[in-house]
Amino acid sequence: GENVEQHPSTLSVQEGDSAVIKCTYSDSASNYFPWYKQELGKRPQLIIDIRSNVGEKKDQRIAVTLNKTAKHFSLHITETQPEDSAVYFCAAPYNAGKSTFGDGTTLTVKP
Amino acid sequence: DAGVTQSPTHLIKTRGQQVTLRCSPKSGHDTVSWYQQALGQGPQFIFQYYEEEERQRGNFPDRFSGHQFPNYSSELNVNALLLGDSALYLCASSLSSTEFFGPGTRLTVL
Repeated sequence: GENVEQHPSTLSVQEGDSAVIKCTYSDSASNYFPWYKQELGKRPQLIIDIRSNVGEKKDQRIAVTLNKTAKHFSLHITETQPEDSAVYFCAAPYNAGKSTFGDGTTLTVKP
Repeated sequence: DAGVTQSPTHLIKTRGQQVTLRCSPKSGHDTVSWYQQALGQGPQFIFQYYEEEERQRGNFPDRFSGHQFPNYSSELNVNALLLGDSALYLCASSLSSTEFFGPGTRLTVL
């Protein structure tokens, strides 16, 4: 099955700095890579996703990059704000429907 | 559009009991997946339903079973509950690859 490794497990940045979270995956057939944000006690919410036919996608302060050769994809958050503090998960769906999630990164943005 | 809904919100059961959790998908979505999220961990894939059939299954024992109805809503059943089944159970619906999660059901097994 798919193996997804996510790093770092915790990340603390100063407000206004950038944050980068990286995931590596094992199944070369994976072609869709979402990122979710989960605040305490709430559901995971999709914040950005990328398909394997593109290398980068941006949405305001959030971007995702994909390196299919190296089998890794990264979440980039620029100009971080305290409300960005949450747990972020990457996922790599495979086998026509199964999804494997990373273990999560707890991001803390200090004002 | 109400989005993905789940019931109940919280549930407390004792070991050996059985539980049924329910999920209504986002309008227009025909696929429902169930996940178990233990505290401090990422969601773990249990299974996925499409056209009322279990299409994919993760590494969960047969005590975990499910069903999808003609209106695409779904149930997750867990038999012979163990303490280790305590977790947040998330339902996600999709039409293609993009999944949208429900608020979850917090199951506590005593």
